[in-house]
Amino acid sequence: DAKTTQPTSMDCAEGRAANLPCNHSTISGNEYVYWYRQIHSQGPQYIIHGLKNNETNEMASLIITEDRKSSTLILPHATLRDTAVYYCIVRGPMNYGGSQGNLIFGKGTKLSVKP
Amino acid sequence: DSGVTQTPKHLITATGQRVTLRCSPRSGDLSVYWYQQSLDQGLQFLIQYYNGEERAKGNILERFSAQQFPDLHSELNLSSLELGDSALYFCASSETGVRYNEQFFGPGTRLTVL
Repeated sequence: DAKTTQPTSMDCAEGRAANLPCNHSTISGNEYVYWYRQIHSQGPQYIIHGLKNNETNEMASLIITEDRKSSTLILPHATLRDTAVYYCIVRGPMNYGGSQGNLIFGKGTKLSVKP
Repeated sequence: DSGVTQTPKHLITATGQRVTLRCSPRSGDLSVYWYQQSLDQGLQFLIQYYNGEERAKGNILERFSAQQFPDLHSELNLSSLELGDSALYFCASSETGVRYNEQFFGPGTRLTVL
């Protein structure tokens, strides 16, 4: 699986957009980019995933560069409750029976949303 | 609420003891994953079960074992506990039949070994 590189920490003002970058220069053609977050000792929470195209859901937007070597997670209007560690994970598709399903977490980016 | 439940929430025990952590996946999810989160190691994958069978193994110690039962709940058994086993233990489950991997995590069990 491709290795990811994320900044250790970032700050964002409440109400502003939070843009969290992730580098995955060795990503393979069939590998997905996933974003999860963990709010202080709670279980990690899935945010969004993408393969090639940009994706948006009710939580965030995911922008993947055309060469797929990097991506940005965008929280459009950050709130104090978005303060968490955000993990960018690259993983291939699951095989039949759920193989290749385990997630490999790095250190992530600690996002602090400030009032 | 992810739909994944874990019991107990907290567990305090002594070195050398054995404990069992329990996980109930979301209804219909056949895959269960166990992760350990300690302060110095971060979130680490331990083991995965799919419909009762072991599917993948991570950095799981020989003193640890797991199983998934016919009703799909899973148990993680930790024996001969050491101080370094103190950690948060998370269980996750994922939907069956999809190629992408959205995992739903439980609230975790905090294990303290004294």
